[in-house]
Amino acid sequence: ELVLTQSPGTLSLSPGERATLSCRASLGVSNGHTVWYQQRAGQAPRLLIYGTSTRATGIPDRFSGSGSGTDFTLTISRLEPEDCAVYYCQQYGNSPLYTFGQGTKVEIK
Amino acid sequence: EVQLVESGGGLVQPGGSLRLSCIASGFTFSIFEMSWVRQAPGKGLEWVSSVNGGGGRTFDADSVKGRFTISRDNSKNTLYLQMSSLTAEDTAVYYCARVLVVPGEHREFDCWGQGTLVTVSS
Repeated sequence: ELVLTQSPGTLSLSPGERATLSCRASLGVSNGHTVWYQQRAGQAPRLLIYGTSTRATGIPDRFSGSGSGTDFTLTISRLEPEDCAVYYCQQYGNSPLYTFGQGTKVEIK
Repeated sequence: EVQLVESGGGLVQPGGSLRLSCIASGFTFSIFEMSWVRQAPGKGLEWVSSVNGGGGRTFDADSVKGRFTISRDNSKNTLYLQMSSLTAEDTAVYYCARVLVVPGEHREFDCWGQGTLVTVSS
């Protein structure tokens, strides 16, 4: 069974700083692509990054995704106050069909 | 504009049943795989079930297999989740999500509803 482990659990940074979020897979899946979602407090998740590195429509270019194999990263180059949220990684596989990481909370000081 | 609107949540006793609905608009519903994803209070996201565009293929998480049934009515642009034998561990916000698939390349939940809360308690 695929398990995605995100780190750190919480990231507390100041506006303008760089945030680096990690997602590690317990095994490499066939196409190896990772998806990232942003969930602000009280809202539904929103698609941020798909295919490991492609920004979804309307997502600012300060968000970027990278990685391969079992290690993937979401980077927010210059934090804005509205980036305060929980970020989830996700992969598609066989068992289960879709797996989410446990999330990383980004706090803005 | 793509919209997904869930309904049917509420308070149900342990062992009870509930049916959730998700009405889709703004896109050709019948060609998209659709899914339910849930989130227990204060917890992360958990995939529940998925159904292909035609409705003939379904997939369930082990945690709900045999208790939940996903289905769809393409004539009504509506996705369903029939839940039975509910326990406290099923208490969560249930989101309806569209799956965007590019075969062999990528697959993601590209649109989400606002969710409907299911509370299982006596």
